[in-house]
Amino acid sequence: EADIYQTPRYLVIGTGKKITLECSQTMGHDKMYWYQQDPGMELHLIHYSYGVNSTEKGDLSSESTVSRIRTEHFPLTLESARPSHTSQYLCASTKGLGGEQFFGPGTRLTVL
Amino acid sequence: QKEVEQNSGPLSVPEGAIASLNCTYSDRGSQSFFWYRQYSGKSPELIMSIYSNGDKEDGRFTAQLNKASQYVSLLIRDSQPSDSATYLCAVKTSYDKVIFGPGTSLSVIP
Repeated sequence: EADIYQTPRYLVIGTGKKITLECSQTMGHDKMYWYQQDPGMELHLIHYSYGVNSTEKGDLSSESTVSRIRTEHFPLTLESARPSHTSQYLCASTKGLGGEQFFGPGTRLTVL
Repeated sequence: QKEVEQNSGPLSVPEGAIASLNCTYSDRGSQSFFWYRQYSGKSPELIMSIYSNGDKEDGRFTAQLNKASQYVSLLIRDSQPSDSATYLCAVKTSYDKVIFGPGTSLSVIP
């Protein structure tokens, strides 16, 4: 059973606010990922990390930033939210060399 | 050309029929292949992994892999309305990245 958590599950905020989406996993997985997905659309990788102090940008350009100070924690921050950031944000993790990704429940963000 | 492509949907099958979902990939060195199911508004859930050529069965699901043809498929036997979802194919490439396909939407009609 995968244990990966995301908070908040739903967030409605105004333009210009700074927000942090939390993602934590209790499985000791070294690789973690953030995806952005609009309803009915493809998953887009926006950030990933292969371990502590390692972060990389994904395939989709994003104005967000991430940090990986602890193995279990991979928060995503938007310094100034805009309506174009309205989407679902999914966090996932993988152990070692395996490719099987386990997803959190997602955060549905609405920026007014 | 996308690295991972799936048959365009939506795919509709009657209840009890076999649903066939297809996926092709471009990196010939890929070794690991995955199928995820995603219900509307939910996150993807891993349902099958396959690493070797041939078939792998798990209940009503069968994954088929043909590395020579760079093709992987998922068959769902005795399809149920609860199988209605989007199915994502994912491939772990030779350069250690997992690439997701765009997904195929499946609708099982009662």
